Amino acid sequence: GAVVSQHPSRVICKSGTSVKIECRSLDFQATTMFWYRQFPKQSLMLMATSNEGSKATYEQGVEKDKFLINHASLTLSTLTVTSAHPEDSSFYICSARDTVGNTIYFGEGSWLTVV
Amino acid sequence: GDSVTQMEGPVTLSEEAFLTINCTYTATGYPSLFWYVQYPGEGLQLLLKATKADDKGSNKGFEATYRKETTSFHLEKGSVQVSDSAVYFCALTHYGGSQGNLIFGKGTKLSVKP
Repeated sequence: GAVVSQHPSRVICKSGTSVKIECRSLDFQATTMFWYRQFPKQSLMLMATSNEGSKATYEQGVEKDKFLINHASLTLSTLTVTSAHPEDSSFYICSARDTVGNTIYFGEGSWLTVV
Repeated sequence: GDSVTQMEGPVTLSEEAFLTINCTYTATGYPSLFWYVQYPGEGLQLLLKATKADDKGSNKGFEATYRKETTSFHLEKGSVQVSDSAVYFCALTHYGGSQGNLIFGKGTKLSVKP
Protein backbone atom coordinates (compact mmCIF):
# COMPACT_ATOMS: atom_id res chain seq x y z
CA GLY A 1 0.00 0.00 0.00
CA ALA A 2 0.93 3.64 -0.20
CA VAL A 3 3.58 4.73 2.25
CA VAL A 4 4.72 8.07 3.53
CA SER A 5 8.12 8.10 5.17
CA GLN A 6 9.19 10.74 7.62
CA HIS A 7 12.76 11.29 8.73
CA PRO A 8 14.13 11.57 11.31
CA SER A 9 11.73 9.86 13.67
CA ARG A 10 13.42 11.44 16.67
CA VAL A 11 15.81 14.37 16.84
CA ILE A 12 17.38 16.34 19.63
CA CYS A 13 18.87 19.69 18.81
CA LYS A 14 20.38 22.58 20.71
CA SER A 15 18.49 25.78 21.21
CA GLY A 16 19.22 28.25 18.43
CA THR A 17 20.05 25.67 15.80
CA SER A 18 17.90 24.60 12.85
CA VAL A 19 16.55 21.16 12.15
CA LYS A 20 15.04 19.71 8.99
CA ILE A 21 12.33 17.05 8.84
CA GLU A 22 11.65 15.24 5.59
CA CYS A 23 8.38 13.81 4.37
CA ARG A 24 8.50 11.49 1.37
CA SER A 25 5.77 9.71 -0.52
CA LEU A 26 7.41 6.44 -1.48
CA ASP A 27 5.19 5.02 -4.19
CA PHE A 28 2.88 7.80 -5.28
CA GLN A 29 3.00 11.42 -6.31
CA ALA A 30 1.72 14.02 -3.93
CA THR A 31 1.03 17.53 -5.16
CA THR A 32 -0.23 18.43 -1.70
CA MET A 33 1.29 17.61 1.66
CA PHE A 34 0.18 18.76 5.09
CA TRP A 35 2.25 19.42 8.21
CA TYR A 36 0.74 18.97 11.65
CA ARG A 37 2.07 19.50 15.16
CA GLN A 38 0.94 17.91 18.37
CA PHE A 39 1.84 19.10 21.83
CA PRO A 40 1.44 16.68 24.76
CA LYS A 41 -2.20 15.94 25.52
CA GLN A 42 -3.31 18.28 22.77
CA SER A 43 -4.86 17.75 19.37
CA LEU A 44 -2.95 17.43 16.14
CA MET A 45 -2.98 20.95 14.74
CA LEU A 46 -2.51 21.78 11.08
CA MET A 47 0.48 24.05 10.60
CA ALA A 48 0.59 24.47 6.86
CA THR A 49 -0.42 23.07 3.52
CA SER A 50 2.46 22.43 1.17
CA ASN A 51 1.88 22.54 -2.57
CA GLU A 52 4.47 21.28 -5.01
CA GLY A 53 6.18 24.11 -6.85
CA SER A 54 4.53 26.92 -4.92
CA LYS A 55 4.65 28.57 -1.53
CA ALA A 56 3.11 26.84 1.43
CA THR A 57 -0.09 28.11 2.96
CA TYR A 58 0.31 28.63 6.69
CA GLU A 59 -2.41 28.47 9.30
CA GLN A 60 -3.07 31.48 11.45
CA GLY A 61 -0.55 31.83 14.24
CA VAL A 62 2.16 29.75 12.56
CA GLU A 63 5.33 31.72 11.82
CA LYS A 64 6.31 31.09 8.23
CA ASP A 65 9.81 32.44 8.76
CA LYS A 66 10.37 30.04 11.61
CA PHE A 67 8.83 26.96 10.04
CA LEU A 68 10.18 26.84 6.52
CA ILE A 69 8.40 24.47 4.20
CA ASN A 70 9.75 23.40 0.85
CA HIS A 71 7.90 21.12 -1.55
CA ALA A 72 10.33 20.97 -4.44
CA SER A 73 9.22 17.68 -5.94
CA LEU A 74 6.11 15.53 -6.17
CA THR A 75 7.48 13.12 -3.58
CA LEU A 76 9.26 15.30 -1.05
CA SER A 77 8.31 18.08 1.34
CA THR A 78 10.61 19.37 4.07
CA LEU A 79 9.90 21.28 7.24
CA THR A 80 12.80 23.25 8.69
CA VAL A 81 12.47 24.59 12.20
CA THR A 82 14.82 27.56 12.31
CA SER A 83 16.43 28.94 15.45
CA ALA A 84 14.70 26.27 17.47
CA HIS A 85 13.65 26.94 21.04
CA PRO A 86 12.54 24.52 23.76
CA GLU A 87 8.91 25.52 23.18
CA ASP A 88 9.21 24.12 19.65
CA SER A 89 9.64 20.66 21.14
CA SER A 90 6.72 18.70 19.81
CA PHE A 91 5.52 15.83 17.65
CA TYR A 92 5.47 16.80 13.98
CA ILE A 93 3.62 14.65 11.47
CA CYS A 94 3.09 15.03 7.77
CA SER A 95 0.48 13.70 5.42
CA ALA A 96 0.46 13.48 1.66
CA ARG A 97 -2.44 13.38 -0.74
CA ASP A 98 -2.23 10.77 -3.47
CA THR A 99 -3.00 12.83 -6.56
CA VAL A 100 -4.52 9.91 -8.40
CA GLY A 101 -6.66 8.35 -5.68
CA ASN A 102 -7.30 11.56 -3.72
CA THR A 103 -6.51 9.71 -0.49
CA ILE A 104 -4.46 11.04 2.40
CA TYR A 105 -1.62 8.99 3.87
CA PHE A 106 0.25 9.93 7.03
CA GLY A 107 3.89 9.60 7.94
CA GLU A 108 5.10 8.05 11.17
CA GLY A 109 5.79 11.41 12.79
CA SER A 110 8.93 13.03 14.15
CA TRP A 111 9.64 13.82 17.77
CA LEU A 112 11.62 17.02 18.14
CA THR A 113 13.28 17.89 21.43
CA VAL A 114 15.06 21.21 21.72
CA VAL A 115 17.46 21.45 24.66
CA GLY B 1 -14.30 27.56 15.06
CA ASP B 2 -14.65 23.88 14.33
CA SER B 3 -13.49 21.44 16.97
CA VAL B 4 -13.51 17.76 17.90
CA THR B 5 -13.78 16.42 21.43
CA GLN B 6 -13.09 12.82 22.24
CA MET B 7 -12.96 10.94 25.49
CA GLU B 8 -9.69 11.04 27.32
CA GLY B 9 -7.73 7.90 27.77
CA PRO B 10 -6.08 5.73 28.38
CA VAL B 11 -8.75 3.09 27.98
CA THR B 12 -7.79 -0.37 29.18
CA LEU B 13 -9.94 -3.36 28.25
CA SER B 14 -9.69 -7.11 28.38
CA GLU B 15 -9.70 -9.06 25.15
CA GLU B 16 -13.21 -9.59 23.71
CA ALA B 17 -14.65 -6.66 25.65
CA PHE B 18 -16.94 -4.12 24.02
CA LEU B 19 -15.33 -0.83 23.04
CA THR B 20 -16.83 2.63 22.81
CA ILE B 21 -14.77 5.75 22.27
CA ASN B 22 -16.91 8.85 22.33
CA CYS B 23 -16.42 11.67 19.84
CA THR B 24 -18.45 14.84 19.49
CA TYR B 25 -17.85 17.75 17.21
CA THR B 26 -18.64 21.41 16.74
CA ALA B 27 -18.79 22.59 13.16
CA THR B 28 -20.79 24.67 10.76
CA GLY B 29 -22.60 22.94 7.97
CA TYR B 30 -22.06 19.27 7.24
CA PRO B 31 -18.50 18.14 7.75
CA SER B 32 -17.13 14.74 6.85
CA LEU B 33 -16.08 12.68 9.87
CA PHE B 34 -13.21 10.26 10.26
CA TRP B 35 -11.58 7.88 12.68
CA TYR B 36 -7.84 7.39 12.35
CA VAL B 37 -5.72 4.84 14.17
CA GLN B 38 -2.03 5.03 15.02
CA TYR B 39 -0.35 1.76 15.95
CA PRO B 40 2.90 1.98 17.92
CA GLY B 41 5.73 3.24 15.76
CA GLU B 42 3.55 3.79 12.71
CA GLY B 43 1.82 6.69 10.99
CA LEU B 44 -1.85 7.52 11.18
CA GLN B 45 -4.10 5.26 9.13
CA LEU B 46 -7.64 5.95 8.09
CA LEU B 47 -9.89 3.49 9.92
CA LEU B 48 -13.31 4.59 8.69
CA LYS B 49 -15.24 7.62 7.56
CA ALA B 50 -18.73 9.01 7.02
CA THR B 51 -19.54 11.92 4.78
CA LYS B 52 -23.17 12.66 5.58
CA ALA B 53 -25.70 12.39 8.37
CA ASP B 54 -26.81 8.84 9.30
CA ASP B 55 -23.96 7.28 7.33
CA LYS B 56 -22.25 4.40 9.09
CA GLY B 57 -18.56 3.88 8.51
CA SER B 58 -17.16 0.43 9.21
CA ASN B 59 -13.86 -1.37 8.91
CA LYS B 60 -12.07 -4.22 10.71
CA GLY B 61 -15.05 -4.73 13.02
CA PHE B 62 -15.13 -1.07 14.03
CA GLU B 63 -18.22 1.05 13.38
CA ALA B 64 -19.23 4.67 13.80
CA THR B 65 -22.46 6.41 12.85
CA TYR B 66 -22.66 10.07 11.86
CA ARG B 67 -25.31 11.54 14.19
CA LYS B 68 -26.17 15.06 13.16
CA GLU B 69 -28.73 15.52 15.93
CA THR B 70 -26.20 14.79 18.67
CA THR B 71 -23.13 15.96 16.68
CA SER B 72 -21.46 12.68 17.50
CA PHE B 73 -19.41 9.98 15.78
CA HIS B 74 -18.73 7.42 18.49
CA LEU B 75 -16.41 4.52 17.64
CA GLU B 76 -17.54 1.03 18.63
CA LYS B 77 -16.29 -2.52 18.36
CA GLY B 78 -18.07 -5.52 19.73
CA SER B 79 -15.03 -7.60 20.67
CA VAL B 80 -11.59 -6.03 20.87
CA GLN B 81 -8.32 -7.88 20.36
CA VAL B 82 -4.85 -7.25 21.69
CA SER B 83 -3.87 -6.12 18.19
CA ASP B 84 -6.35 -3.24 18.46
CA SER B 85 -4.10 -1.55 21.01
CA ALA B 86 -3.34 1.85 19.48
CA VAL B 87 -4.18 5.53 19.66
CA TYR B 88 -7.47 6.48 18.00
CA PHE B 89 -8.15 9.95 16.62
CA CYS B 90 -11.50 11.39 15.64
CA ALA B 91 -11.34 14.09 12.97
CA LEU B 92 -13.46 16.23 10.69
CA THR B 93 -13.07 18.20 7.51
CA HIS B 94 -15.29 20.34 5.36
CA TYR B 95 -13.53 19.30 2.19
CA GLY B 96 -15.97 16.63 1.15
CA GLY B 97 -14.31 13.26 1.53
CA SER B 98 -10.93 14.46 0.40
CA GLN B 99 -9.56 14.72 3.94
CA GLY B 100 -7.85 18.02 3.36
CA ASN B 101 -7.22 20.24 6.36
CA LEU B 102 -8.32 17.79 9.02
CA ILE B 103 -9.28 18.94 12.51
CA PHE B 104 -8.39 16.29 15.05
CA GLY B 105 -9.39 15.36 18.55
CA LYS B 106 -6.65 14.78 21.13
CA GLY B 107 -6.57 11.04 20.59
CA THR B 108 -7.55 8.17 22.87
CA LYS B 109 -5.06 5.49 23.75
CA LEU B 110 -6.52 1.99 23.90
CA SER B 111 -4.73 -0.87 25.59
CA VAL B 112 -6.19 -4.35 25.29
CA LYS B 113 -4.95 -6.98 27.72
CA PRO B 114 -4.99 -10.72 26.95
